Amino acid sequence: GAGVSQSPRYKVTKRGQDVALRCDPISGHVSLYWYRQALGQGPEFLTYFNYEAQQDKSGLPNDRFSAERPEGSISTLTIQRTEQRDSAMYRCASSSGTTLEQYFGPGTRLTVT
Amino acid sequence: AQSVAQPEDQVNVAEGNPLTVKCTYSVSGNPYLFWYVQYPNRGLQFLLKYITGDNLVKGSYGFEAEFNKSQTSFHLKKPSALVSDSALYFCAVRDFSGGYNKLIFGAGTRLAVHP
Repeated sequence: GAGVSQSPRYKVTKRGQDVALRCDPISGHVSLYWYRQALGQGPEFLTYFNYEAQQDKSGLPNDRFSAERPEGSISTLTIQRTEQRDSAMYRCASSSGTTLEQYFGPGTRLTVT
Repeated sequence: AQSVAQPEDQVNVAEGNPLTVKCTYSVSGNPYLFWYVQYPNRGLQFLLKYITGDNLVKGSYGFEAEFNKSQTSFHLKKPSALVSDSALYFCAVRDFSGGYNKLIFGAGTRLAVHP
């Protein structure tokens, strides 16, 4: 079956522009997670949804970052007024309600110039 | 707070030899531990998990991990390494703070298997 998909795979944007990153989880997975991974580091948690409800956004760095999952499936992570320090790999993961492991998408490599 | 540490940035192994990638953890309560592998230009792939039960957990691609509560370790092992095992390996622990299912990852260990 299809895994987690993310788009775009690569995004280059100028400082100050807004970007929207999309995640399409595994069909039927109720939980969806966003992580950010800097080069040479492990992924760091950003936010988590259970169905359409955003249960935890404690990892979002500041109020320029927001996420939504309006219908409990596809999610969008939006970064407003991008800064160079936002450059990273943004990873989405999903999990079912019955197992604990999370399944990751290929990520979106964001470069802010 | 929950945390994991991967003390080795890189592990080098000859093909056919056993491999070990180390992970230690710090948690309050019972740990839920995971190993993931990352191949170039691909997402993280789930290898195995420890929740409860047997201390030796078997996973994908012939990998296994040994949970050791007294040493707070969860080392990844494979009896005979393959060149194709060369990748970046991450240990992770479930963070229960706030009651939610987020993972805390280590910094990763690069495994290089030489022919």
